[in-house]
Amino acid sequence: GAVVSQHPSWVICKSGTSVKIECRSLDFQATTMFWYRQFPKQSLMLMATSNEGSKATYEQGVEKDKFLINHASLTLSTLTVTSAHPEDSSFYICSARRSKSRPDTQYFGPGTRLTVL
Amino acid sequence: GIQVEQSPPDLILQEGANSTLRCNFSDSVNNLQWFHQNPWGQLINLFYIPSGTKQNGRLSATTVATERYSLLYISSSQTTDSGVYFCAGGLPGTYKYIFGTGTRLKVLA
Repeated sequence: GAVVSQHPSWVICKSGTSVKIECRSLDFQATTMFWYRQFPKQSLMLMATSNEGSKATYEQGVEKDKFLINHASLTLSTLTVTSAHPEDSSFYICSARRSKSRPDTQYFGPGTRLTVL
Repeated sequence: GIQVEQSPPDLILQEGANSTLRCNFSDSVNNLQWFHQNPWGQLINLFYIPSGTKQNGRLSATTVATERYSLLYISSSQTTDSGVYFCAGGLPGTYKYIFGTGTRLKVLA
């Protein structure tokens, strides 16, 4: 089955620092990846769509300068939280869309828990 | 935008009991799926069910696309079924998914 990994699983950082989260599709190519954010006891909220070789598209209300997304290859997308603050603490989940799959299927990573002190 | 409401929001069951979880969409969606999020946060895909009925062991799901709802049935619940259940639908014309509000299930031994 298709596997998506995320690294790191959890990270604690000081306010003002930047944190990079990696999302990898391990055994398939993903032209499109998605980044979600989940606050405690809430649902997943789509933050942005990451397209290989082009700029990410962000959902309304998501600061693109705050959450930098790079999709440099067909198997890797990164999310960088710049100048992190305590309110950025959350669970970040990526998903990868398997190219040309029928039906259209997304595979989810295990998530990264970010705590900003 | 499309709203996805799930009910009930919270559910406590005794082991062995059956339950039905509901997902209502305010507008049509594609590729409806059900997920189980375990206590560590991992999303497990349970069903891809844009329409009709599917069964997998103790779980089954039914989607009535024309009426914009889907149901997830859990029979003979076990403590390992605990967690949060989400439905999600694809927004037409995109590859984006919108997630429901979730049902938090706790199964007691």
